[in-house]
Amino acid sequence: DVKVTQSSRYLVKRTGEKVFLECVQDMDHENMFWYRQDPGLGLRLIYFSYDVKMKEKGDIPEGYSVSREKKERFSLILESASTNQTSMYLCASSFPGNTIYFGEGSWLTVV
Amino acid sequence: GQQVMQIPQYQHVQEGEDFTTYCNSSTTLSNIQWYKQRPGGHPVFLIQLVKSGEVKKQKRLTFQFGEAKKNSSLHITATQTTDVGTYFCAGLESEGFNKFYFGSGTKLNVKP
Repeated sequence: DVKVTQSSRYLVKRTGEKVFLECVQDMDHENMFWYRQDPGLGLRLIYFSYDVKMKEKGDIPEGYSVSREKKERFSLILESASTNQTSMYLCASSFPGNTIYFGEGSWLTVV
Repeated sequence: GQQVMQIPQYQHVQEGEDFTTYCNSSTTLSNIQWYKQRPGGHPVFLIQLVKSGEVKKQKRLTFQFGEAKKNSSLHITATQTTDVGTYFCAGLESEGFNKFYFGSGTKLNVKP
């Protein structure tokens, strides 16, 4: 069975903290994605990666960075968390142009 | 840049009524996919359309891809409470890094 695993389901962090969201996929997919989902705004792409160590900015990269040191793992980093980054974060992976498989989501609250 | 617009944002129907959501792209798409997200869940793949004018059916769901490959629709016949959720389209750009552009989603509520 296809699996995209996000390390944390629920997190509460303080303003200014560094936050790591980890994602692992077991399908040998080249492409991995981080989305942010907010009510009424749909899925907004933060970053995506099409190969190890390769990354491209999505629609809303400000305040975020990513790391892909291994093919199966794609990390989202909030260098200094702010309250406007409170959201649900979805990791996803796919073969190029194919079905996108999503993780369960990580609910981040920044206080 | 590439944009995929999806309407309506919300739809409330009585069980048994039909439902349609529409997606429009500013540019020609290579293909389009549809996803369903149940409340509290994550988006799950429903179908992919590739050919111009393509129509596909899954039980009560009918998916269409426009002739110009710029628009698509999802129609549900005789909705049931199990259809509740948010439906997203995702258009694949023809060139570049195989990046999908998601519509903003249509949230469907079905009253029993």
